[in-house]
Amino acid sequence: DGGITQSPKYLFRKEGQNVTLSCEQNLNHDAMYWYRQDPGQGLRLIYYSQIVNDFQKGDIAEGYSVSREKKESFPLTVTSAQKNPTAFYLCASTIPGLRGPLGGYTFGSGTRLTVV
Amino acid sequence: GDSVTQMEGPVTLSEEAFLTINCTYTATGYPSLFWYVQYPGEGLQLLLKATKADDKGSNKGFEATYRKETTSFHLEKGSVQVSDSAVYFCALMGGSQGNLIFGKGTKLSVKP
Repeated sequence: DGGITQSPKYLFRKEGQNVTLSCEQNLNHDAMYWYRQDPGQGLRLIYYSQIVNDFQKGDIAEGYSVSREKKESFPLTVTSAQKNPTAFYLCASTIPGLRGPLGGYTFGSGTRLTVV
Repeated sequence: GDSVTQMEGPVTLSEEAFLTINCTYTATGYPSLFWYVQYPGEGLQLLLKATKADDKGSNKGFEATYRKETTSFHLEKGSVQVSDSAVYFCALMGGSQGNLIFGKGTKLSVKP
């Protein structure tokens, strides 16, 4: 079955460390997204990519970096410059602009990152 | 720019009560509209969608009608269950890049 996989499910980071969250999809979707969700809050867009080797900053890109070397993969690195990284991170993918029954995002199950 | 406003929660209901979660939007053109549901500790799942005015999306007893005249897409269910306890997000997809724009989410708690 096609889907989007995030790993790990739980991740612990020490102060000053960089960590990378994995997101892989086998849906043949062109666009991929990273969101951050804080407790009781909505979703905030970190980065997105509409095509391989290209990506754009979202609303809260500072302290994060991404790459899109393959269509299937869109890893997110949380750098030491991100001062408050504890949050739930969600990855999503879609075919941009597709309306009708297949339009909309597919989400992964999330990674919970905690600073220790 | 495009935006989505949904009622703030939390919403607490007894089992078998009627549910309405209000959602209104601002957008140019004719966006597609969505409701997503997030169960505790999980990602978001598509609940229902509508792509043009007067369309009704429905799934698992939930319904929402795309009302262009009132720019609304309210979520309703006639009889909620404890298993419906979750956070519900209204969203629109518009513009040339097709990015989803989310409301802030409404937490629903259903008591037995």
